[in-house]
Amino acid sequence: DQQVKQNSPSLSVQEGRISILNCDYTNSMFDYFLWYKKYPAEGPTFLISISSIKDKNEDGRFTVFLNKSAKHLSLHIVPSQPGDSAVYFCAVRRGTGANNLFFGTGTRLTVIP
Amino acid sequence: DSGVTQTPKHLITATGQRVTLRCSPRSGDLSVYWYQQSLDQGLQFLIQYYNGEERAKGNILERFSAQQFPDLHSELNLSSLELGDSALYFCASSPAGRADTQYFGPGTRLTVL
Repeated sequence: DQQVKQNSPSLSVQEGRISILNCDYTNSMFDYFLWYKKYPAEGPTFLISISSIKDKNEDGRFTVFLNKSAKHLSLHIVPSQPGDSAVYFCAVRRGTGANNLFFGTGTRLTVIP
Repeated sequence: DSGVTQTPKHLITATGQRVTLRCSPRSGDLSVYWYQQSLDQGLQFLIQYYNGEERAKGNILERFSAQQFPDLHSELNLSSLELGDSALYFCASSPAGRADTQYFGPGTRLTVL
């Protein structure tokens, strides 16, 4: 049973435009949310996170939005660059403990020059 | 480069066989985590070791086992392999007390024929 879903397997965006990646989760008890980026032949790398006490966190071109009532998480990349082309995973966590971290299936972002 | 190394990069074997995947964490990191990513699935947490001791367990099959050695490297043993075990296996490490900051290795791609 998937705790977190990324319903779009892929997304293509023109360079300079906004990329919006979405993630839905099932359990309102999740209290920490993360995005990871993965390039081919590499492991995922941490990108940005947000605690459930916030609804927005910004880091340069990357902003994560959290809508707790909708159990929805999104990552905005503005402006998108070709180097952003990668697979993006969202992850959700409930409390501490490695067995309380659940990953989505990923969205492959392609930024077209 | 995350500083986490995994060997081998690729492994092809037959059903019923046994394999060992190896992981060296970042220097100074005491925690090691193992994840499985099957086709079209998110990363599934398997098991965590902290300084040689099992700390958390996820959906790890009984046919799979892991250990962490005194030099902190870890091995994941997969036995009686089945076709469905074909997947990417990632190892990650984190500093003490920073379970939410995991650094992933490049993964081992296991193909069971």
